[in-house]
Amino acid sequence: AQSVSQHNHHVILSEAASLELGCNYSYGGTVNLFWYVQYPGQHLQLLLKYFSGDPLVKGIKGFEAEFIKSKFSFNLRKPSVQWSDTAEYFCAVISSGRSFQKLVFGTGTRLLVSP
Amino acid sequence: DAGVTQSPTHLIKTRGQQVTLRCSPKSGHDTVSWYQQALGQGPQFIFQYYEEEERQRGNFPDRFSGHQFPNYSSELNVNALLLGDSALYLCASSKGQRTYEQYFGPGTRLTVT
Repeated sequence: AQSVSQHNHHVILSEAASLELGCNYSYGGTVNLFWYVQYPGQHLQLLLKYFSGDPLVKGIKGFEAEFIKSKFSFNLRKPSVQWSDTAEYFCAVISSGRSFQKLVFGTGTRLLVSP
Repeated sequence: DAGVTQSPTHLIKTRGQQVTLRCSPKSGHDTVSWYQQALGQGPQFIFQYYEEEERQRGNFPDRFSGHQFPNYSSELNVNALLLGDSALYLCASSKGQRTYEQYFGPGTRLTVT
């Protein structure tokens, strides 16, 4: 069965600090990978996705993630965080190449950026 | 272009009662997936509907059931509510059988007392 691990449950950073959130997944086949963000009081939004090709993907709001297949990892990065990045971040995986697949989410990382 | 909509926004029910949550998919989408997000957890997959049939189901008891209508909208029904059913229920829509890109609605916050 697929599973996703997010190593940091809570992260506190000051504005302008760099961010890296870890994500590892467990699955034997080909997967598509996602990072979703949930701002306070808002719905889940897609930050970025990896389907194939360049393992370094860029998303919205200056976020990027690197897929390292050998490590089953898909870490999220941002060079300089802003107060508005305060949110909960979820890594998710879905099996690719097959019909009717489900997203499997990690438990989330709550990021607090202090001004 | 309307996104995924869900109703109601919030709901308070008593243990043992039954609840129905509703979802309208994003325009052009015909597959609906439901997820449960308990406090402090990531969303957990409940089930998925396409062409009015349940296509995939997660590890949830039979108290959780669903339906999809010809206009692609969907309902999630939960019978015999337990305190542990308190959660945010998310609907996601996608197009066709390749459900890789799912767009989420704002969710329904269910509180069971």
